[in-house]
Amino acid sequence: SQTIHQWPATLVQPVGSPLSLECTVEGTSNPNLYWYRQAAGRGLQLLFYSVGIGQISSEVPQNLSASRPQDRQFILSSKKLLLSDSGFYLCAWSQLGGYNEQFFGPGTRLTVL
Amino acid sequence: GQNIDQPTEMTATEGAIVQINCTYQTSGFNGLFWYQQHAGEAPTFLSYNVLDGLEEKGRFSSFLSRSKGYSYLLLKELQMKDSASYLCAGRRDYKLSFGAGTTVTVRA
Repeated sequence: SQTIHQWPATLVQPVGSPLSLECTVEGTSNPNLYWYRQAAGRGLQLLFYSVGIGQISSEVPQNLSASRPQDRQFILSSKKLLLSDSGFYLCAWSQLGGYNEQFFGPGTRLTVL
Repeated sequence: GQNIDQPTEMTATEGAIVQINCTYQTSGFNGLFWYQQHAGEAPTFLSYNVLDGLEEKGRFSSFLSRSKGYSYLLLKELQMKDSASYLCAGRRDYKLSFGAGTTVTVRA
């Protein structure tokens, strides 16, 4: 069966510090991968998605970046965090074909102080 | 675009039925998902509609009318554990656009 992991689960970082969140998927090959952010009381905002190794599409302009160094690894990064980067970051995957149901990881709760 | 609109909050009694409506703009749209999200947790998949009509899965059913840009999620025989946020999401290609979610509170 497929599983998706995210770490860390929680993170408190000062403004201006760097960020690296990691997501890995097991039990599937060539997945589509997604990074979402959910601000308190808000819906999920798609940040990045990837359909293959080294391929990244950005949905919104921001100070975040994403990378996919391996087929089942997706990384979200920032060089300098802003207060507005606080939120719940969710990684998701979907399989090519079918109706592309997305499966979410457990999420990382980021607080920027 | 795919602006997704759904009510912010709903309250219902244990054992009752609740219907959560979702409306959207249909430009480039090709499917409608419903997810459940408990506080502090990740969303979990509930249902998917690509054609018009009703899809039933146990206590949960979802309806879609593409011509009207309208969907609803029906929760029957409500249980306390159904207290959660319910997210409507429209699909365009392999991307989902989510509504802000409807928080359902089930009272005894």
